Amino acid sequence: EPEVTQTPSHQVTQMGQEVILRCVPISNHLYFYWYRQILGQKVEFLVSFYNNEISEKSEIFDDQFSVERPDGSNFTLKIRSTKLEDSAMYFCARAGTSGRGAYNEQFFGPGTRLTVL
Amino acid sequence: SQQGEEDPQALSIQEGENATMNCSYKTSINNLQWYRQNSGRGLVHLILIRSNEREKHSGRLRVTLDTSKKSSSLLITASRAADTASYFCATAQGTDKLIFGTGTRLQVFP
Repeated sequence: EPEVTQTPSHQVTQMGQEVILRCVPISNHLYFYWYRQILGQKVEFLVSFYNNEISEKSEIFDDQFSVERPDGSNFTLKIRSTKLEDSAMYFCARAGTSGRGAYNEQFFGPGTRLTVL
Repeated sequence: SQQGEEDPQALSIQEGENATMNCSYKTSINNLQWYRQNSGRGLVHLILIRSNEREKHSGRLRVTLDTSKKSSSLLITASRAADTASYFCATAQGTDKLIFGTGTRLQVFP
């Protein structure tokens, strides 16, 4: 099955700036996820999104983070005021066609490398 | 220790040899999944095994699951240089999120 695509592949920003990371899934999928991976560490769940609403979020996903699907296609992750520790790879994923991702496989995009200076 | 711990952390083998990676977890699960990640790239789904399954095959991959021991293993047979990557197990516990392990870095020498 095809994966999602993500833009940009690499984003460099200054601390305190807002960034928007984009994920372009196949339009008829309903379950999407954001994960992040700090260099050398494990992949961490951030948030799941179903039918245009957050269905679950982790303790990492604080008020600085938000997700939306503004045009019914692109799925975005916004970080309002970036910190140095936000530097990481951010992965978007979608559930397999058989349904919800926790019960079935998830398909990951190539990631966006965010560097906060 | 944390949910989803793999061992070994690193594994180096010659082409043609088999590679075995193990994963242990703490809580009950719906399923366990294995992913591959090439350096600096995204995660590629390899195989999913459900909690009521004990073994599953996909090509050169063989996954076992022992829910009594809360452990899983991934066997790659007849390894190739192209198998060089990090391998992660991830557990699904009935919610939306996958919890990933720390990964095993596999190096296959030609």
